[in-house]
Amino acid sequence: GQQVMQIPQYQHVQEGEDFTTYCNSSTTLSNIQWYKQRPGGHPVFLIQLVKSGEVKKQKRLTFQFGEAKKNSSLHITATQTTDVGTYFCAGNSGNTPLVFGKGTRLSVIA
Amino acid sequence: KAGVTQTPRYLIKTRGQQVTLSCSPISGHRSVSWYQQTPGQGLQFLFEYFSETQRNKGNFPGRFSGRQFSNSRSEMNVSTLELGDSALYLCASSLGGQSGNEQFFGPGTRLTVL
Repeated sequence: GQQVMQIPQYQHVQEGEDFTTYCNSSTTLSNIQWYKQRPGGHPVFLIQLVKSGEVKKQKRLTFQFGEAKKNSSLHITATQTTDVGTYFCAGNSGNTPLVFGKGTRLSVIA
Repeated sequence: KAGVTQTPRYLIKTRGQQVTLSCSPISGHRSVSWYQQTPGQGLQFLFEYFSETQRNKGNFPGRFSGRQFSNSRSEMNVSTLELGDSALYLCASSLGGQSGNEQFFGPGTRLTVL
C-alpha cells in the first residue's frame, strides 16, 4: 500500500534559524496536505498542494510539491518559538484515504 | 461554526473491556475519519464514513469498528481491549465528496488501557 515517509524525525533549531522537513511518497499523489500539531493539541490543517511543481507561501512558510507529485517539502524561514510542534504531511491518490507521514517534531531554542 | 467535538476526552479501561468513542463533526460535514495516534507512529488511519457508509478502512483488526448516523455523528468501538490500544484517538471531519479533503480534527479521546 501507499507509504509516506517524512524526514527528519526531530529537528532542534536556534530561534531565527531556518527549518525544512521533507516528505516522500511511494506512489504518485493526487494532492498533498500539511498539518501542524502543537504539543498537547490536535493536528491543524495548514495547506493543500495539488499541482505538479506547485509552490505556495504563507508568511514565513514555503510549501513545495515535486514535479513527479511524489515528494513535498515545508520550509520555515527564521523560526520563532511559536513554530514549535510536529509537522505532518499527508497525501492520497484518487479516492483513497489520506496517508500521514510520522511527522517532524520541531523544537526552537530561544 | 462549532468545531469537531469528541467525547469523552479521557478514558481509562482495563484489558478485555470494550469502549465506545463519539464524534460530532462540523455542521454540514458528511465525512468522518478516525485515526489512532501513538508516540513515534504518527497518525494511523482506522476508517472513514460518508453518508452512513464506510468508504475506506485501514489495517486494524476487527476489534475496531465504527458507524455513522444520519446526522453525520460517528462512533467507534473497540472490543476486547489490549494494552497496545492505549493511544490518542482522533476524529476528523471533512465536507466529503472525495476522500482526501482537508481534515478538521477534534481534540481527541485519550484512551489508557491498564
